[in-house]
Amino acid sequence: EPEVTQTPSHQVTQMGQEVILRCVPISNHLYFYWYRQILGQKVEFLVSFYNNEISEKSEIFDDQFSVERPDGSNFTLKIRSTKLEDSAMYFCASSETGLYQPQHFGDGTRLSIL
Amino acid sequence: AQTVTQSQPEMSVQEAETVTLSCTYDTSENNYYLFWYKQPPSRQMILVIRQEAYKQQNATENRFSVNFQKAAKSFSLKISDSQLGDTAMYFCAFMKRYFGNEKLTFGTGTRLTIIP
Repeated sequence: EPEVTQTPSHQVTQMGQEVILRCVPISNHLYFYWYRQILGQKVEFLVSFYNNEISEKSEIFDDQFSVERPDGSNFTLKIRSTKLEDSAMYFCASSETGLYQPQHFGDGTRLSIL
Repeated sequence: AQTVTQSQPEMSVQEAETVTLSCTYDTSENNYYLFWYKQPPSRQMILVIRQEAYKQQNATENRFSVNFQKAAKSFSLKISDSQLGDTAMYFCAFMKRYFGNEKLTFGTGTRLTIIP
């Protein structure tokens, strides 16, 4: 069964550094998402992306965050000037279409900011 | 804005028993979807079951079934004949129904432990 893959599985970064989290969505999917889960808390929506542009973003997704689909397969989340509170598990998800199609999640990238 | 509430932070049950996880939500939308996702210790998010709000029939997937009460805005998950592999964090999630991207709004989760 096709899967969403995320790399790296664990990223350790110094505070203030930039980090790029990578995702390869399922190949025929058109909608892409990033979610965040701070340890012990619920999963929170960050951003959705369709047709090479952001469809919706949460209040968490401020100017330090950006997303990009640089080629036909990758979907990236960039965090500029990371802060301690950015430490979390970041999940990428994709869906075939937006309408009533379940979102398939990757295994997540654990981001640790030191 | 939608909110999802899971009032049971932790539950445990003996293997082979039945367990029900609670979820309530608040929305002004009439058309929406509800999901249960499972997150085992490996941290992957796995879709367990989904329900369309306009369908009165409760969804079932093998040992998993839901009790969807639209008027009460309640969406509980029943796991029958529980197995050790069911040990995980379970998240209830809400999605508005419209064409285009829809974000998932998650509850805080219920940590379920199946006891051998």
